[in-house]
Amino acid sequence: GAVVSQHPSRVICKSGTSVKIECRSLDFQATTMFWYRQFPKQSLMLMATSNEGSKATYEQGVEKDKFLINHASLTLSTLTVTSAHPEDSSFYICSATGLAGDTARDTQYFGPGTRLTVL
Amino acid sequence: RKEVEQDPGPFNVPEGATVAFNCTYSNSASQSFFWYRQDCRKEPKLLMSVYSSGNEDGRFTAQLNRASQYISLLIRDSKLSDSATYLCVAAETGGFKTIFGAGTRLFVKA
Repeated sequence: GAVVSQHPSRVICKSGTSVKIECRSLDFQATTMFWYRQFPKQSLMLMATSNEGSKATYEQGVEKDKFLINHASLTLSTLTVTSAHPEDSSFYICSATGLAGDTARDTQYFGPGTRLTVL
Repeated sequence: RKEVEQDPGPFNVPEGATVAFNCTYSNSASQSFFWYRQDCRKEPKLLMSVYSSGNEDGRFTAQLNRASQYISLLIRDSKLSDSATYLCVAAETGGFKTIFGAGTRLFVKA
């Protein structure tokens, strides 16, 4: 099946610093990548959708200047949390759709997630 | 009203039981539907897609009723390893406006 990796898996940082999370599709070209956030015992919340080479589309309530998304290639998207604060502490998960040879249309393959803790 | 609503959990069932999860969605533009399972502190993993004709994969059967905007998942002969949170997902074409339900927690006990 299609494999999506994320790096780092866990990060702890001080308030005010910026954190970059990478999402890679390892064995397929991801035409679209998605970034989600999940707080404890809550559902995944879609933050933004990005297509390779174009600007990301952010969901309502998500600050695009705070959560910078770059989808520079068909296998890599990055999410940068700028000037992170404790309330940004969460589980960030990316997913990708694309030419994975899967017959399920629009199937999203998820990365393992990045647990961010802002002190 | 939530865009994707699922049965509140948790479901506690014995091994071998049959359990059914229900889900409704409100976005009539949704075209693709899925069930994912998520283990504690892990990423969601695709369980199965849901088609109008209904589809079955081993012990799992998913059905979609577009008229009622209703999705279901049936698990037969529950195993201990089925214990997880099951997420219902509706998305527009291309994965846009993907909405996850809050999930239903399943505990299968020996």
